[in-house]
Amino acid sequence: DGGITQSPKYLFRKEGQNVTLSCEQNLNHDAMYWYRQDPGQGLRLIYYSQIVNDFQKGDIAEGYSVSREKKESFPLTVTSAQKNPTAFYLCASSIADRNTQYFGPGTRLTVL
Amino acid sequence: AQTVTQSQPEMSVQEAETVTLSCTYDTSESDYYLFWYKQPPSRQMILVIRQEAYKQQNATENRFSVNFQKAAKSFSLKISDSQLGDAAMYFCAYRGLLDGIQRGPGTYKYIFGTGTRLKVLA
Repeated sequence: DGGITQSPKYLFRKEGQNVTLSCEQNLNHDAMYWYRQDPGQGLRLIYYSQIVNDFQKGDIAEGYSVSREKKESFPLTVTSAQKNPTAFYLCASSIADRNTQYFGPGTRLTVL
Repeated sequence: AQTVTQSQPEMSVQEAETVTLSCTYDTSESDYYLFWYKQPPSRQMILVIRQEAYKQQNATENRFSVNFQKAAKSFSLKISDSQLGDAAMYFCAYRGLLDGIQRGPGTYKYIFGTGTRLKVLA
């Protein structure tokens, strides 16, 4: 089946550790996105990528890093510099940035 | 800058009844898209309906329809014959130009409202 997968579903991190969230799509979409969701705040854009080997910062990129070495994959690293990383993280993709975005099931990150 | 406002944090509807969720937005663009996404307890975001700003006809998808008022910058979602499975958070989203200038890739961005939690009462 075509779709977007995110792993793990739940992730726990100790303070000071970097963690990487996985996002994979087999829809042949060029554009991919990472959002953060906090209660009462909707979705905020962290990073996005329109093509392989290229990505841009979104509205809240500080403390996060990404890579786009393959079209299918857009992993997000939450670094120790992110002061409040506990949140729900959603990955999305679209054919191109002007097209409708489709979302993965999300990863819940909790810092212990 | 574009903004999206959902002024109803929570709504309730009786099963089989009709409910309307409100969304207003602010933009200076004339060409844009508007979306409603549903987020059930599983937290997966699901596209419900999409409206192109240049189309005057309101979009419909089965029991879901929109009332798009471009001049008023209003985009409400109507759910008819509400079902228990409709209970979820609903997000309104705007897709427009990143900084008002159409270029190549990376030109567009999505802006989401804060959501409306819909409860369906049996």
